[in-house]
Amino acid sequence: NAGVTQTPKFRVLKTGQSMTLLCAQDMNHEYMYWYRQDPGMGLRLIHYSVGEGTTAKGEVPDGYNVSRLKKQNFLLGLESAAPSQTSVYFCASSTGLGSYEQYFGPGTRLTVT
Amino acid sequence: GESVGLHLPTLSVQEGDNSIINCAYSNSASDYFIWYKQESGKGPQFIIDIRSNMDKRQGQRVTVLLNKTVKHLSLQIAATQPGDSAVYFCAENPTDKLIFGTGTRLQVFP
Repeated sequence: NAGVTQTPKFRVLKTGQSMTLLCAQDMNHEYMYWYRQDPGMGLRLIHYSVGEGTTAKGEVPDGYNVSRLKKQNFLLGLESAAPSQTSVYFCASSTGLGSYEQYFGPGTRLTVT
Repeated sequence: GESVGLHLPTLSVQEGDNSIINCAYSNSASDYFIWYKQESGKGPQFIIDIRSNMDKRQGQRVTVLLNKTVKHLSLQIAATQPGDSAVYFCAENPTDKLIFGTGTRLQVFP
C-alpha cells in the first residue's frame, strides 16, 4: 500500500512555462487536496476535490488548475509559471471533509526562475 | 480570517525529557483538531487528533490536550527521542476545511 504518491519530486521551470504535477492515492479516498507550503506559513489549500469529476477552489487558487478524471488521481497544472509559485506542493487525501485525517504525499519542490 | 498559531517557534529538549508543544486556535466553531509531524524534506505525518467533545486523548507516547475555554491545544511527547526531531503543527476545522498552523520546530539534543 503506497498511500499518496507525487511526481515529480523536484522541478525547475522558467517563467511562463507550464507543467503538471501528478498525485495518486491507492486508499480509495473520495477527497483529495492540493496545498502549497511556503516558509513561515502554514499549508494553504489551492484546490480540492470531493469525488471523481469534481473540483473546487481553495484559499489560493489563482494561477492553478486541477482535474480529477479518475478517483485515484488528482492533477495540478500551472499554465504559465511565475516566480511567486516557487514553493513545495503537497497532495493529500481523506475519507471525509473537514473532520478527518488527511494523508499527505512526499511533496514536490518547484522552483520558478 | 481564521488563524491557528503556535506560542514557540523552536523548542529544544534533552533526550528522555517530555516535550510540550502548544497551539492557540481562534474559532470556537472548530470541532476537530489534529497534530502533524513533518521531518525535513518529507510530507506531514499524522500524529493524533481530537474532537471537541473530548479534553484529552492519548496515543503511543503522545497526548493531546484540548482546552476549549481558552482555545488552546497542546501536544505532549513523553520520553522525547532523537527521532522526534521535526516540525510539529496543528490544524483546526472552522469550516469544512482544515486550517494549518505555521509549526514549531522540536530539537532533541543528547
